[in-house]
Amino acid sequence: QLQLQESGPGLVKPSETLSLTCTVSGGSISSSSYYWGWIRQPPGKGLEWIGNIYYSGSTYYNPSLKSRVTISVDTSKNQFSLKLSSVTAADTAVYYCASSSVFGNWFDPWGQGTLVTVSS
Amino acid sequence: QTVVTQEPSFSVSPGGTVTLTCGLSSGSVSTSYYPSWYQQTPGQAPHTLIYTTNTRSSGVPDRFSGSILGNKAALTITGAQADDESDYYCVLYMGSGIYVFGTGTKVTVL
Repeated sequence: QLQLQESGPGLVKPSETLSLTCTVSGGSISSSSYYWGWIRQPPGKGLEWIGNIYYSGSTYYNPSLKSRVTISVDTSKNQFSLKLSSVTAADTAVYYCASSSVFGNWFDPWGQGTLVTVSS
Repeated sequence: QTVVTQEPSFSVSPGGTVTLTCGLSSGSVSTSYYPSWYQQTPGQAPHTLIYTTNTRSSGVPDRFSGSILGNKAALTITGAQADDESDYYCVLYMGSGIYVFGTGTKVTVL
């Protein structure tokens, strides 16, 4: 069964670019059945969808973050990545990666999440 | 910007029934929004409960059920148990590859 695992720096300086990678195991990221997505949760707050990517490279972004977000896929490594530019303290959050079924538009499974703190 | 609204909190007695809702700031929720529901306990990743309005995810107890009630998606917990005390989030698919999470509901069982 699919398993997802986030990795990347836990501390990013303001104005810099946050970069995270999600490694997929138990299945192929080139599957036509899934989108691959990023979701975040600031401390003590709710969940926010960031964006999705299809194995072909098609991307879909939250309009409120679109100008700062890039999601890419590396099929050779079975990974997909998130870049969020010009970060501020408001971008401090637990970042989750998840797969999203093309047949029903739900998120499952989820990675365990990784906390990224934006601070100088 | 579309807002998906949920009740901030609910309290339910053990063995009781509670219905959480998921609505749109403008318009009605239908099955075309593919509503899904997630349970989250502190420090843990969300766990899928319900997808495509009313399909229970594998291993989810049948005390959890999903539906459309009026103009909202709904999650009903029938026979609440202590370990149902969690935060619950809905997600709606808005079309064109866009998703919006609900504001979340904190459920207390006491």
